[in-house]
Amino acid sequence: QSALTQPASVSGSPGQSITISCTVTRSDLGIYNYISWYQHHPGKAPKLMIYDVYNRPSGISSRFSGSKSGNTASLTISGLQAEDEADYYCSSSTNTKTLLFGGGTKLTVL
Amino acid sequence: QVQLVESGGGVVQPGRSLRLSCAASGFIFSYYHMHWVRQAPGKGLEWVAFISYDGRNEYYADAVKGRFTISRDHSQNTISLQMNNLRPEDTAVYYCTRDEGIEDDERFYFEYWGQGTLVTVSS
Repeated sequence: QSALTQPASVSGSPGQSITISCTVTRSDLGIYNYISWYQHHPGKAPKLMIYDVYNRPSGISSRFSGSKSGNTASLTISGLQAEDEADYYCSSSTNTKTLLFGGGTKLTVL
Repeated sequence: QVQLVESGGGVVQPGRSLRLSCAASGFIFSYYHMHWVRQAPGKGLEWVAFISYDGRNEYYADAVKGRFTISRDHSQNTISLQMNNLRPEDTAVYYCTRDEGIEDDERFYFEYWGQGTLVTVSS
């Protein structure tokens, strides 16, 4: 089991908001404040959506936001659009100079 | 604009070796740390290796430690991944990525990715 646990799938209708969680299951890895989120459409390169829990890179829509509560980080997508349908991964560096990814969440836009 | 272009993928038998390359352009290559990330068919993303901006530090995932070696060539603006003793579970698309930290700042997140190169390990 990955040290970063995500739901396998989430779904929502256009215009709705959805939240994808990423739970840190190993406290020994020091991965509290460095959560990033990636959007991955099959066959394309992954795209950075959020870094350092809350921050959006330039050019990323404000519909995407990141948050954290306790040992769970979350990615919220508001005003869901058809093109948001993709796989989403959380990731974090560790105190042993490695990088972990969550197992990924498949977002379906109904 | 930043470009990362991987090459070197292909079909290789278990136990054999393969070398991947990534050509970088559009940024000052010598300032940035670089990584390899892979995705096996039907699986999620998996970080593979890191090399610091100056090539002095290398970090590896446990799954590849001792078998893979990352390197960089500042004269060619390239990074490489030498993969030895390949296993079927190494079958994946391998992506070259640029760390968003520079010099002594290691960020371990990636705004820029290549399009990937497919490695298939099969007899």
